[in-house]
Amino acid sequence: EAGVAQSPRYKIIEKRQSVAFWCNPISGHATLYWYQQILGQGPKLLIQFQNNGVVDDSQLPKDRFSAERLKGVDSTLKIQPAKLEDSAVYLCASSYSPKTGGETEAFFGQGTRLTVV
Amino acid sequence: AQSVTQLDSHVSVSEGTPVLLRCNYSSSYSPSLFWYVQHPNKGLQLLLKYTSAATLVKGINGFEAEFKKSETSFHLTKPSAHMSDAAEYFCVVRSPGGTSYGKLTFGQGTILTVHP
Repeated sequence: EAGVAQSPRYKIIEKRQSVAFWCNPISGHATLYWYQQILGQGPKLLIQFQNNGVVDDSQLPKDRFSAERLKGVDSTLKIQPAKLEDSAVYLCASSYSPKTGGETEAFFGQGTRLTVV
Repeated sequence: AQSVTQLDSHVSVSEGTPVLLRCNYSSSYSPSLFWYVQHPNKGLQLLLKYTSAATLVKGINGFEAEFKKSETSFHLTKPSAHMSDAAEYFCVVRSPGGTSYGKLTFGQGTILTVHP
């Protein structure tokens, strides 16, 4: 079974520039998550999709961050403009929602390491 | 609301000795609980999960965890540490899917160091 794919693996940009990350979840997984992991901290949820609808974006800095999941499959996360404090690893994860209810565990991609200089 | 507290930011053990990584959780619902491991420059890998079945859960690589509702704890243990266990470990709580669609909340992580 193919895992969660993310690209790029690494990105270095200057502050005030824009950047986009891409995620391809495991086939058939309805739930998709984007997490931000700052060095030395646990991952923090940015946004959660169920199919192509947003379930939780309460911690997404909406003045600069945006995310979409067209057709309920792939997702992109964008930052515009970037700040120094956005330097982090951005993790994408997906999980399966059985018809019987509940969810399986989340499977994580390798992440994108963003450095803002 | 839900939260996770990992009681130790760093744990250091000698190879061959037991490992104990502590986790306490807070949840308004009956939670699902997970332990993930993250090796340097690698993705998060699931070690084990508790989803309201047996309270003692066995995972990969000899790890296990016990769900104790009365203590709101889900500590991770291994009888004998191996050098390859050196990594960062995260305790994760998930809300029931029917209410908030399975929101995952991470602890701050525990870095495990294994000495020869």
